[in-house]
Amino acid sequence: EAGVVQSPRYKIIEKKQPVAFWCNPISGHNTLYWYRQNLGQGPELLIRYENEEAVDDSQLPKDRFSAERLKGVDSTLKIQPAELGDSAVYLCASSVRLRGQTGELFFGEGSRLTVL
Amino acid sequence: QQPVQSPQAVILREGEDAVINCSSSKALYSVHWYRQKHGEAPVFLMILLKGGEQKGHEKISASFNEKKQQSSLYLTASQLSYSGTYFCGTEEGYSNYQLIWGAGTKLIIKP
Repeated sequence: EAGVVQSPRYKIIEKKQPVAFWCNPISGHNTLYWYRQNLGQGPELLIRYENEEAVDDSQLPKDRFSAERLKGVDSTLKIQPAELGDSAVYLCASSVRLRGQTGELFFGEGSRLTVL
Repeated sequence: QQPVQSPQAVILREGEDAVINCSSSKALYSVHWYRQKHGEAPVFLMILLKGGEQKGHEKISASFNEKKQQSSLYLTASQLSYSGTYFCGTEEGYSNYQLIWGAGTKLIIKP
């Protein structure tokens, strides 16, 4: 079974440039997460989707970040314009929705962003 | 409210035991444990639901004390492959679906 696929693995850009990350979750997983992870810290939720609906985007900096999940499958996370502080690893994860609790998360390998 | 993990880091010799704690100031419904190796994605270990259950996965087990709002991860007879950073994630209520992650505990196993 294929795992969560993310691209690109690495991206280096100048500040103020745009960048986009793509995620293909595990087939059948209706919940999709975008996390940001800074060095030495735990993942920080940016947005959670249930199918195509964004049900938790309270931590998404909406002035520069946007996300979409068309048809409830693939998802794209965009940053425009990027700032130095956006340098981090962006992790995508998917899970099967369980009743009452978060299920096992399957993470992609992440997209490492460096903003110069 | 971010859970607090302790210790922040631990260095062991192969074969030694370790305990990693995860504490919250809030009542918890579930605790999730993941391990992340350097440069890799976090990998699921186990989920514990309130009720004080204990779970095990080979020589890694965990307990959940809902009264103390704390979970502990036990690594017995550690192997080199156990090296990595361990994260706990907590949920504060049924159908909350908001998993809040701790800052992680770095475990280094030396031969």
